[in-house]
Amino acid sequence: DQQVKQNSPSLSVQEGRISILNCDYTNSMFDYFLWYKKYPAEGPTFLISISSIKDKNEDGRFTVFLNKSAKHLSLHIVPSQPGDSAVYFCAASGPGNQFYFGTGTSLTVIP
Amino acid sequence: DAGVIQSPRHEVTEMGQEVTLRCKPISGHNSLFWYRQTMMRGLELLIYFNNNVPIDDSGMPEDRFSAKMPNASFSTLKIQPSEPRDSAVYFCASSRIYRMEAFFGQGTRLTVV
Repeated sequence: DQQVKQNSPSLSVQEGRISILNCDYTNSMFDYFLWYKKYPAEGPTFLISISSIKDKNEDGRFTVFLNKSAKHLSLHIVPSQPGDSAVYFCAASGPGNQFYFGTGTSLTVIP
Repeated sequence: DAGVIQSPRHEVTEMGQEVTLRCKPISGHNSLFWYRQTMMRGLELLIYFNNNVPIDDSGMPEDRFSAKMPNASFSTLKIQPSEPRDSAVYFCASSRIYRMEAFFGQGTRLTVV
């Protein structure tokens, strides 16, 4: 009963190209979405978020897109850099304030 | 400004032993979360507190797991008795209540042999 799903366990991208990480959710009560980045042996760190009243939020090389009708969000990284290689977690939050996370996508940016 | 502090970083214990994981949230944060990271389920929410009060513990896998938050600056997650399938990385996170991102500690890697 995973409420947040990341169906791609891994992704490899050439340096300088675009990385697109995808996330789907099932609970229509979710209204706040976040992306976290995690390096080995460290805790996840917050990357970018989006409220359900928006469909796009941009922060430098990172852009998150939200499609509420499809219950889908994506993270675009342009241009990708080797330092972006990490595991990316999608998370969602609803009225209860708890955060539900996906299983993560391991991104490898090839120099 | 100190982040979320978890201890110990690594714990190896024998099956049947009691294990206690500790967490100090960021000062001023009102919400505290305990997560478990596994390959199959990713970051799985175990329990969370608002203003030291447990709000939702539906993610706690069994009665062997318990969590407390006696004050705003300290929380524990206890497993008694521990089993090999409890082996995972356990994260504590804190946030200001409502619509603010959670900040994570570095995690405790638990190995039960």
